[in-house]
Parts: sequence; structure tokens; C-alpha cells
Amino acid sequence: DGGITQSPKYLFRKEGQNVTLSCEQNLNHDAMYWYRQDPGQGLRLIYYSQIVNDFQKGDIAEGYSVSREKKESFPLTVTSAQKNPTAFYLCASSRETGNYGYTFGSGTRLTVV
Amino acid sequence: SQQGEEDPQALSIQEGENATMNCSYKTSINNLQWYRQNSGRGLVHLILIRSNEREKHSGRLRVTLDTSKKSSSLLITASRAADTASYFCASRGSAGGTSYGKLTFGQGTILTVHP
Repeated sequence: DGGITQSPKYLFRKEGQNVTLSCEQNLNHDAMYWYRQDPGQGLRLIYYSQIVNDFQKGDIAEGYSVSREKKESFPLTVTSAQKNPTAFYLCASSRETGNYGYTFGSGTRLTVV
Repeated sequence: SQQGEEDPQALSIQEGENATMNCSYKTSINNLQWYRQNSGRGLVHLILIRSNEREKHSGRLRVTLDTSKKSSSLLITASRAADTASYFCASRGSAGGTSYGKLTFGQGTILTVHP
């Protein structure tokens, strides 16, 4: 079955650590996205990529970094520069940036301890 | 910044009743989409309406779009307890705008359907 997989489901980070969230899709989608969701809030765009080896900053990119070396993979690194990283992180993919809906992963809940 | 605003923030109804959620956006759009999220899970795409469409149906879902008012509504008919979830609208900016190619989400409406 095609889908999008995020791992791990839960992640704990100590102050000053960098952590990487994994996102893999086997839908052959060109575009991939990372969103952050805080309790009771909507989703805010962190980074997005429309093609391999290219990505753009979203609305809240500070303290985050990404790479897109393969079409299937779009990992997100939460760096120590991100002052308030505790949140629910959602990865999504879509068939190019046209009239298509997104397919979302099941999310990673990151907590700073 | 979030382009979409949703109303109401929370809605509580009985099974069998209809549920209506509204969404407003600020800039020109290519399309508007509605998603559902069960607690602690990812979002699921429900329906997409293009900027040149006014109404669209999918099963028990009916979506309307009024581009002159920059607003959309989602109607769920004959609701079920299993419809309990958060519902989000998301707008895709049109070409030439700063939001082009990106999907911007509203704050969401929490729907509770009591059996």
C-alpha cells in the first residue's frame, strides 16, 4: 500500500540537542512538506520541497533544517537554535503543486525534557 | 501567519443533526481544501473545491465557495459519532501571490457528535 511514514512517533530531546525526524513516502509524489502543530492550533509551514535537491522556507523555518536528496525522503532536523521545539510535527506529500490534496503522515510528537 | 479563520472554534451536536463549519481566507486562491484530523493523528484530505467552482458534494459532505466574500463552508449531513474530529480548511494561493504553491491552514473547528 502506498503511503507516507513518519518516525519516530514520539521523540524526546534534551536542551541543546539536534534531533532529526524522518519522513518517507512511496506515492511517487514530487512535493513534500513539513508542518508544525501546537495544541489547539492549526498547521504552520516549516519547509517544503517541490523537487529533489531543492527546498524553500515556509513561514516558521528558523531553527529547522531539511534536505531532499531522494524523491522519497524529506527529513527534518530540529536544531538547538529552535527555542520552543515541543510540538506535533506533520509531514505531507502531494502530486506537484496543482489541484491535488495532500497526503499526511501520522506525525511525530517532540517533547523537550 | 495563518490565512484561514474558522468558525465556530467548537461545535457540539447530536447524532443525526447537520454540522456546518465556516472558513474565511484573505488572498486570492487557486483552490480550497478541507481536512479532518482525529485526536493525535495526521490529517486526512476530504474534499477540494477549485476557485471557479461554487459547490461540490462528496457523500455526506457539501462544500461551498464564495470567492467574492473569500469564504467557504463545509456541511456534514446526518452526522455520526464517528464524525467527531477536528476539521481544517486550507487554501492554496493563486499564481502571482506570495502564497502561491503553498497550502495555508486555518485554526480548525472541533466537532463533537454525541450518540
